[in-house]
Amino acid sequence: ETGVTQSPTHLIKTRGQQVTLRCSSQSGHNTVSWYQQALGQGPQFIFQYYREEENGRGNFPPRFSGLQFPNYSSELNVNALELDDSALYLCASRLYPPGGNYGYTFGSGTRLTVV
Amino acid sequence: AQSVTQPDIHITVSEGASLELRCNYSYGATPYLFWYVQSPGQGLQLLLKYFSGDTLVQGIKGFEAEFKRSQSSFNLRKPSVHWSDAAEYFCAVLGANFGNEKLTFGTGTRLTIIP
Repeated sequence: ETGVTQSPTHLIKTRGQQVTLRCSSQSGHNTVSWYQQALGQGPQFIFQYYREEENGRGNFPPRFSGLQFPNYSSELNVNALELDDSALYLCASRLYPPGGNYGYTFGSGTRLTVV
Repeated sequence: AQSVTQPDIHITVSEGASLELRCNYSYGATPYLFWYVQSPGQGLQLLLKYFSGDTLVQGIKGFEAEFKRSQSSFNLRKPSVHWSDAAEYFCAVLGANFGNEKLTFGTGTRLTIIP
């Protein structure tokens, strides 16, 4: 059983640029969530995808967008990067319906630095 | 709205001593509660989770947590810590209405182990 894999592991971008982060969900999982973790903070929910549609969103502006593909992998896109977007971006997957198991599996994250 | 408070930003414990990390939550219904551990630069690893039933739950690496509804708490404990337990610990509550299924994390407690 493979876990959640994210790519790239590290990324440096310039303010105003656009970035795409990728996530492969754990085998058997069909729901993917994205979280932003600023330095010294807990992760903050960005959005969740199920059946290729966004079905939950946190307090993030529209320049944060995503996709989920038929194989349940996902992308997080951020346009017009700002310095405050520098953070660790975590992807988590799970199976819905959960069948009593609400466990999320997290990837190791992508460290994004905006300069 | 759901929320999690971890009152202790940083705790230092001697190796072999006991540990308790505090977590208080706010949620309007029966909560689903989690403890995650994060090593520097890494993703989140699930230690344990509470959904229902026995209020004392056992997790990996010798950790346990006790759910106390009357105190809105879900404190993490370990009888004897090891140097490898040094990490950041996050408590989280899950909003379980599909479409609002997001993990809300506390700000974390950094655990330092001294010889």
